[in-house]
Amino acid sequence: GAVVSQHPSRVICKSGTSVKIECRSLDFQATTMFWYRQFPKQSLMLMATSNEGSKATYEQGVEKDKFLINHASLTLSTLTVTSAHPEDSSFYICSARSEQGTEQYFGPGTRLTVT
Amino acid sequence: GQNIDQPTEMTATEGAIVQINCTYQTSGFNGLFWYQQHAGEAPTFLSYNVLDGLEEKGRFSSFLSRSKGYSYLLLKELQMKDSASYLCAVFNNAGNMLTFGGGTRLMVKP
Repeated sequence: GAVVSQHPSRVICKSGTSVKIECRSLDFQATTMFWYRQFPKQSLMLMATSNEGSKATYEQGVEKDKFLINHASLTLSTLTVTSAHPEDSSFYICSARSEQGTEQYFGPGTRLTVT
Repeated sequence: GQNIDQPTEMTATEGAIVQINCTYQTSGFNGLFWYQQHAGEAPTFLSYNVLDGLEEKGRFSSFLSRSKGYSYLLLKELQMKDSASYLCAVFNNAGNMLTFGGGTRLMVKP
């Protein structure tokens, strides 16, 4: 099956700094990538949808200036959490979908802890 | 908008059968997914239903009734490793995206 990787798997940063998370589709071209956030014991909440070469579409309540998404190629999307605060500590998961497909393939997730 | 409901928690015994229900309300329905998620890990794909009926895959089966907005995931011969959260997700053509239910935390006891 299709493989999606995320890097880093875990990151600890200080409040006020920025963190970049990478999401890569390893064996297929991902025309659409999705970024989710999951707090403990809660389900996945979609943050934004990004299509290669165009601006991301953010869900209501998600600050686009705080969560910068770039989908510059068909195999890579990045999420940058700017000026991170402790409340941004969460599990961030990306998923990718090819142009022909319906199924989304999930990355392994990134655990962000802001101290 | 979309509304997806599933029970928050369920408990079952090793070796038994458990059915996890999911009801949904959406426009532009184009399929329903079930995912398994262990704590601290990303979801893994279990099943996809787009037509009415039962899809069987080993110990796991998934059923869909589009007219009733209803699906269930059936797990047979439960094993301890099946303890996880099970997420129902609806694919919406209009928004071209998946919307997840709150997940059902299943605890399998000896």
